[in-house]
Amino acid sequence: NAGVTQTPKFQVLKTGQSMTLQCAQDMNHNSMYWYRQDPGMGLRLIYYSASEGTTDKGEVPNGYNVSRLNKREFSLRLESAAPSQTSVYFCASRDTEAFFGQGTRLTVV
Amino acid sequence: RKEVEQDPGPFNVPEGATVAFNCTYSNSASQSFFWYRQDCRKEPKLLMSVYSSGNEDGRFTAQLNRASQYISLLIRDSKLSDSATYLCVVNPFPGGYNKLIFGAGTRLAVHP
Repeated sequence: NAGVTQTPKFQVLKTGQSMTLQCAQDMNHNSMYWYRQDPGMGLRLIYYSASEGTTDKGEVPNGYNVSRLNKREFSLRLESAAPSQTSVYFCASRDTEAFFGQGTRLTVV
Repeated sequence: RKEVEQDPGPFNVPEGATVAFNCTYSNSASQSFFWYRQDCRKEPKLLMSVYSSGNEDGRFTAQLNRASQYISLLIRDSKLSDSATYLCVVNPFPGGYNKLIFGAGTRLAVHP
């Protein structure tokens, strides 16, 4: 049972480049989330999806877009990466408790 | 005011000590509360849910005080393996499909 799978695990981007972070869960959860974690800031919610076909902004959505492709998959896209988006990104899915992927460490130079 | 606030620590304690963390939340309508544990450079993992009546899981005890809007985590007989960051998590709305808000975490270091 894989749980929540994120890809890639590491990525270096140049300023202005775009990329998509992929997330898939196999627990049949309706809710999925994208967080970023910066030192001293804790996890901050970027976007979440309560069910297939719906997405909502979290605390820090600027510079990001999301797609809830189906019940299993929830992707996060950076259209034009900026150094301020250097962070660790976590995807999570939830029924009652939230399960997290292993994270993507993104560096924008 | 942040929605969820925690003392960042670090709490440095010897093995065998008892340590307590508090967390305050701003939304009085919050319904669900959790403690997560995060090891260095790893993903957060659920430690325990927090119920209105309080609950215990081995050496860990969680309490909820709705009147004062805080939750607490007590760790008894600390082990070296308890060294981690403890995250307070609040679901600010009723229902199971809304956002989870995380505190910034409290770091615990247990030494021999």
